[in-house]
This record gives sequence, structure tokens and C-alpha cells, in this order.
Amino acid sequence: RKEVEQDPGPFNVPEGATVAFNCTYSNSASQSFFWYRQDCRKEPKLLMSVYSSGNEDGRFTAQLNRASQYISLLIRDSKLSDSATYLCVVNKGYNKLIFGAGTRLAVHP
Amino acid sequence: DAGVIQSPRHEVTEMGQEVTLRCKPISGHDYLFWYRQTMMRGLELLIYFNNNVPIDDSGMPEDRFSAKMPNASFSTLKIQPSEPRDSAVYFCASSFYDKTYNEQFFGPGTRLTVL
Repeated sequence: RKEVEQDPGPFNVPEGATVAFNCTYSNSASQSFFWYRQDCRKEPKLLMSVYSSGNEDGRFTAQLNRASQYISLLIRDSKLSDSATYLCVVNKGYNKLIFGAGTRLAVHP
Repeated sequence: DAGVIQSPRHEVTEMGQEVTLRCKPISGHDYLFWYRQTMMRGLELLIYFNNNVPIDDSGMPEDRFSAKMPNASFSTLKIQPSEPRDSAVYFCASSFYDKTYNEQFFGPGTRLTVL
């Protein structure tokens, strides 16, 4: 079983749609959690951290459920520029990040 | 500010040749990471350094791979001899340590093709 599992997609949605991505992780001792975004043929970049209390950054909301070892990302009012691969990331400790395989999002007009 | 710098950006070589990838981390960062990304396996951590010392090399595929960090501003990843299955994008990333927030900044990657 992979340490971080994501639905690979692709998710094809129209502009303005709300889309949700889910992720599960296997190591209950994992310390911190993130969503990274990777555009086609580019490097991954941090999108946002994920906190137990939930956190929001504009149209993006991230949630963490430690009991279920589950992380989510919600994108509201999707834009064409949101098209990318979204990587669920878990910090195992000592700065060691484990990346999920990514969920691909395609937003169309 | 310059981000993480990697060279070369593209490398095409023949099986059996030695390949050396280079990375310059962001100044002031004390962690440096080497990753490999393929369609089949996604983004895999190969090795990482803290203050120039290798901390965890459990992701290095086999003895053909080696990495060094002779100083705080330079690291290399070497493959010798290279094989077609080594074809991938190799990313270098750097960060500074914070207990709860440790964003890793990635370089643009080196796209390696082994024929």
C-alpha cells in the first residue's frame, strides 16, 4: 500500500464549478500536511498547508481528519488557470516529505 | 532572488555513460533534497542532506546512484553507468528547518533521457 494515496483523476470540470480532492495517508505519526500544485512540465510548488482546524485561502479550502487519516482540498469557482496536478503531501518527520501521485484537474470553458 | 538552480535542464545520453546532475540551493537553506519523477512512480525522494551531511539515502535505487554535497551551495547527483530505466525528471529542492512549516522550493528539474 502506498503511504499517500490519491484519486489520479482526471477531473474535467467547467469554469465556475466546485471540485473536491481527497487523499489518505497510512502513517498515523505523520506530523504535517500540505497540498502542492504542479503545472505541466514544471516543478511542484506549495499551494497551502493543511491544519486540523481547517484552513482557507481565497477559493481554496483544506481539511485534515487525523482520526481517519484523510486530507481534502476544495476548490470553489474553478478558473481555467486552476488546471494542474494537485499533490497531497505528508511530512513523516525530520523534514522528509512523501508525495502522493497527484490528482489531475482540467478546467474547461 | 534566485531560486533553486539546476543544470543541465535537459540531458540525452547513451546507456552506459556517466551522468552528473547539478544543483545550487537557495542561499541560507540548510536542507537539500533530490527527487525523481516518472509517470509510473510519481515523485520519489532519493536522498536528502542537512547542513551538507546525507541524512537519508534510503530512496537511492542502487549503487549506480551517488550524491554529494561538498558545500552549502552545491550538490551533485551522479549515475554511473546510466540505464534507459533511469530516464525521468530529476528535481532538486531546498528548505530551511521549521518544526511545523517546511516549504520545499523546487528547481526547474533536469529531464534525463537515456537511450
